[in-house]
Amino acid sequence: DSGVTQTPKHLITATGQRVTLRCSPRSGDLSVYWYQQSLDQGLQFLIQYYNGEERAKGNILERFSAQQFPDLHSELNLSSLELGDSALYFCASSVGATGNQPQHFGDGTRLSIL
Amino acid sequence: SQKIEQNSEALNIQEGKTATLTCNYTNYSPAYLQWYRQDPGRGPVFLLLIRENEKEKRKERLKVTFDTTLKQSLFHITASQPADSATYLCAPQDSSASKIIFGSGTRLSIRP
Repeated sequence: DSGVTQTPKHLITATGQRVTLRCSPRSGDLSVYWYQQSLDQGLQFLIQYYNGEERAKGNILERFSAQQFPDLHSELNLSSLELGDSALYFCASSVGATGNQPQHFGDGTRLSIL
Repeated sequence: SQKIEQNSEALNIQEGKTATLTCNYTNYSPAYLQWYRQDPGRGPVFLLLIRENEKEKRKERLKVTFDTTLKQSLFHITASQPADSATYLCAPQDSSASKIIFGSGTRLSIRP
């Protein structure tokens, strides 16, 4: 058990809709990372938050946004959903903000767009 | 642009042999390199981190090397077991971690 909790585990919705994915980091971790993993594709980094502030941004679409709250949990909002957004979305957490920290991953939210 | 290459083909190894996985990177100079294991439908699990000034790091049956001249890391599993079957991801990172990049992974299959 990594200590990172993601909810919901599965989400099925339709094109054009909006969803919110939630992540609770491991106790004591200040950084939260969001990744997208599509079939046959690697982990694509979306965005990182450290102690409530955006720290780094990857290939995140404008339709997607995230935030980290004072209690350090994070939410990833996906809007105007398209079929191609179907994927596994992972959240990871680490103690610090930089690359010398192991990341601890949740088991993901599987998003299916019909 | 920054690029990471891992063995695109799946690796099939006989139980008991040493499995060696390769991670090559181009167009950047990472200060750290991490290796993760991912099982189907699960999140990646951290295995080892090696720094640019370390040539080699070991943990039980795992060994990682980091050659900054060749821009390559090798990941070895000795005395491989069927339970080692999984996809293994490398993630070279700069010290600021301004952008987190994972390789696409190598699928390892250990046959009894």
